Amino acid sequence: DMQMTQSPSTLSASLGDRVTITCRASQRVGVWLAWYQQKPGKAPKLLIYQTSSLENGVPPRFSGSGSGTEFTLTINNLQPDDFATYYCQQYNSLWTFGQGTRVEI
Amino acid sequence: EAQLMESGGGLVQPGGSLRLSCEASGFSFTNYEMDWVRQAPGKGLEWVADIGSTGTTIYYADSVKGRFTISRDNAKNSLFLQLNSLRPEDTGVYYCTRYASGTLRPFDIWGLGTLVIVSS
Repeated sequence: DMQMTQSPSTLSASLGDRVTITCRASQRVGVWLAWYQQKPGKAPKLLIYQTSSLENGVPPRFSGSGSGTEFTLTINNLQPDDFATYYCQQYNSLWTFGQGTRVEI
Repeated sequence: EAQLMESGGGLVQPGGSLRLSCEASGFSFTNYEMDWVRQAPGKGLEWVADIGSTGTTIYYADSVKGRFTISRDNAKNSLFLQLNSLRPEDTGVYYCTRYASGTLRPFDIWGLGTLVIVSS
């Protein structure tokens, strides 16, 4: 079974920081990796798809990179609206989410 | 504006059944694969089931295979999830979402979710 492992599980940061979240797949997923942002009580929101393509309306301070089994989400100049939980998802073989990374102050 | 709206959640006893619905609007429903994703209280996201645009291709997570059934009615722009033999670990918010496979963009639109509680 495909497994997606995110690190760290929790990340403490300050406004203006650059933060990086890592996602590792147990098998190669090519470029079929997406990132979502979720705030408490809300549905997830697609941020990045196909490893590095920014979804419409997502600020360019968000970026994604990687290939194969290791991927990263980078947020530059962290803003108040960015404090949330982030999930990676592979969609090369069905769909599998990582366990999530909570970005907190 | 593309929108999804789930309904049908509620409190059910272990072993019971429930049918979730998702109504789509603002986009051509027949052009999209559709999925259900759930989230247990305080936990992460778990993909549950997928159905192709015509309903002929269906996939399930191992955790629900044999108990849940996904279906759709393209004439009514609606997606369904029949939940049988429910267990306490099926408790959570169930989201309806679409998969824009033609553009390779996964799960770009989500509903607000419907809460399922399995408890005696």
